[in-house]
This record gives sequence, structure tokens and C-alpha cells, in this order.
Amino acid sequence: GQNIDQPTEMTATEGAIVQINCTYQTSGFNGLFWYQQHAGEAPTFLSYNVLDGLEEKGRFSSFLSRSKGYSYLLLKELQMKDSASYLCAVKDSNYQLIWGAGTKLIIKP
Amino acid sequence: GAVVSQHPSRVICKSGTSVKIECRSLDFQATTMFWYRQFPKQSLMLMATSNEGSKATYEQGVEKDKFLINHASLTLSTLTVTSAHPEDSSFYICSASPEVAGGYEQYFGPGTRLTVT
Repeated sequence: GQNIDQPTEMTATEGAIVQINCTYQTSGFNGLFWYQQHAGEAPTFLSYNVLDGLEEKGRFSSFLSRSKGYSYLLLKELQMKDSASYLCAVKDSNYQLIWGAGTKLIIKP
Repeated sequence: GAVVSQHPSRVICKSGTSVKIECRSLDFQATTMFWYRQFPKQSLMLMATSNEGSKATYEQGVEKDKFLINHASLTLSTLTVTSAHPEDSSFYICSASPEVAGGYEQYFGPGTRLTVT
């Protein structure tokens, strides 16, 4: 079956750095997405990786290793507004998005 | 950027009634639209994929006669929950893509919270 694993919850301090990991086993691979979802709201797109390596976008960076079936989202200079759930999703061989359950990130002052 | 709207944002209905949720792409033509359901503290669950002018493709376990999807134009898709029951209470989210099969990126609507009493 297809599976995406990410930690259920993480806690970090304002101003610090946090890394959210995602591992996947899917039938084929056509890209990995990270989305941010605040409580009661729809997800918003953060990043897309299809080749190995690090993609940097401001305070957020996303890394992919296809051989390891592994990705991480790195958030720097954490702000209180970064408190949200972070969803990892992979497009399989049929271009269908397979979603992880999300990681709830709690930022403390 | 690409904007997707949903209406209504919240709806409360009585058990046995039907509810229609609209999803519109405001500044692009959505070849493909997706409908998701999300229960509290759970991940998104894809219900169905629809392409303009054709019948929706439903995921396993989703009743097509209960969740009616109409993708009548390139900017509008509707989801009708028929004969709603309390267990249908959930957060329904649509997303849209300008490409067939969802392509590179999906743009999400703000979601509709349905409560069935």
C-alpha cells in the first residue's frame, strides 16, 4: 500500500529552527509537496520538490532524497504565526496526491 | 495568484436534507477539480476528481449517489451532499488545477464546514 509518515506533533521556540520529517512509500513518484494548514482553514502551498536536493524559499526550505523516500521541511526564525499543521503529500505514478496526516507544530514564546 | 472560492463557508442543516457546496476558480480555468473531506485532527481524504464536462471519478468507499458532483464549466464545480446525516459533518475542501490530472499544483478553496444536526 501507499504510505506517508510524519510526526504527529512538534514543539519549538519562537526564533528557533525546526525540521519536520516525512518518509514515503508510494507507487511511483512525481513530486513531493509541503502545505501549511492553519486550524479551520484550507491548506496553502509551501514547496514542491521533484529532484533531489534542497529548495530554499525565504525562511522555509524543503529537502528531498528520492532514493531514501525522505523529505524534510526546515523552518527558520520561527514566528508565532508559524503555529499550524504541516502536510506532506506525494504525487504517485497516476499523478494522484497521497497525503500524510500532518504534523502539528506548536510555537512557544 | 490563482484563487479558488467556496460557498458557503459554513452550513448547518437538518438530517435528511441536501446541501450544495460550490467551488469556483476565480482567475483561471480549472480543467480538473478535486473534492476532499477532512475530519478533525485527520488528514485530507480525497473523495473524487472531476474534469469539466465529464463524470467525476470517485475514490473507493465514497458513495457517488450520496455525494453528487457536477463540473459543468471550467470555473465551477458543485458538491451536493444528499440526505445528509450527522456522520457527514466534516470540513469539505475543493481544489482546482489548470491541468488535466492535477498536473503540478492544486489551488485550494477555503473550505466549507458542514454540520448536520
